[in-house]
Amino acid sequence: NAGVTQTPKFRVLKTGQSMTLLCAQDMNHEYMYWYRQDPGMGLRLIHYSVGEGTTAKGEVPDGYNVSRLKKQNFLLGLESAAPSQTSVYFCASSYEILHTQYFGPGTRLTVL
Amino acid sequence: GIQVEQSPPDLILQEGANSTLRCNFSDSVNNLQWFHQNPWGQLINLFYIPSGTKQNGRLSATTVATERYSLLYISSSQTTDSGVYFCAASDSGNTPLVFGKGTRLSVIA
Repeated sequence: NAGVTQTPKFRVLKTGQSMTLLCAQDMNHEYMYWYRQDPGMGLRLIHYSVGEGTTAKGEVPDGYNVSRLKKQNFLLGLESAAPSQTSVYFCASSYEILHTQYFGPGTRLTVL
Repeated sequence: GIQVEQSPPDLILQEGANSTLRCNFSDSVNNLQWFHQNPWGQLINLFYIPSGTKQNGRLSATTVATERYSLLYISSSQTTDSGVYFCAASDSGNTPLVFGKGTRLSVIA
């Protein structure tokens, strides 16, 4: 099992550009999450999904959109990137919400 | 929502020493997890422990839900234990985890 994978690992964008981050899991988990990690801030939840076709807002959803068209994939989109979105983005998944979360390796995004 | 606070923010240990990391939370929890982020950024789940005590090798964790805290014990620390330890909790059955800001541990040989 690959667990949770994220694509790409690194990306540099210019202000105003758009991009999509892909998260994939092969553990048949229902729940998937997108977090951002900034220095001194811990991890903050952007959006999450409780199953295929569902999405919900987390703590810091503004400027991001998500989609969960297939159970194994969770996409995070930035429509118009801003320097404030420079961060490390982590995807995670869990079988149920009261179960262990497993994290992907992260994507380091820089917006110039 | 629930507030999660971790202490100390930074900790430096000599190899072989023991340590205790603390996580306080503001409300009753039904989900509490400890994670280790290694120096390369990878996040690994250590414990799922909304109550009680668990042990895994040199690491153990105790959550006292009635007093709203959890402790992570690291015994005979090794340099590979270095990194940031996060506690995360939620206070209801359908809300996601809220993370603390972490404890940065440095183990020196």
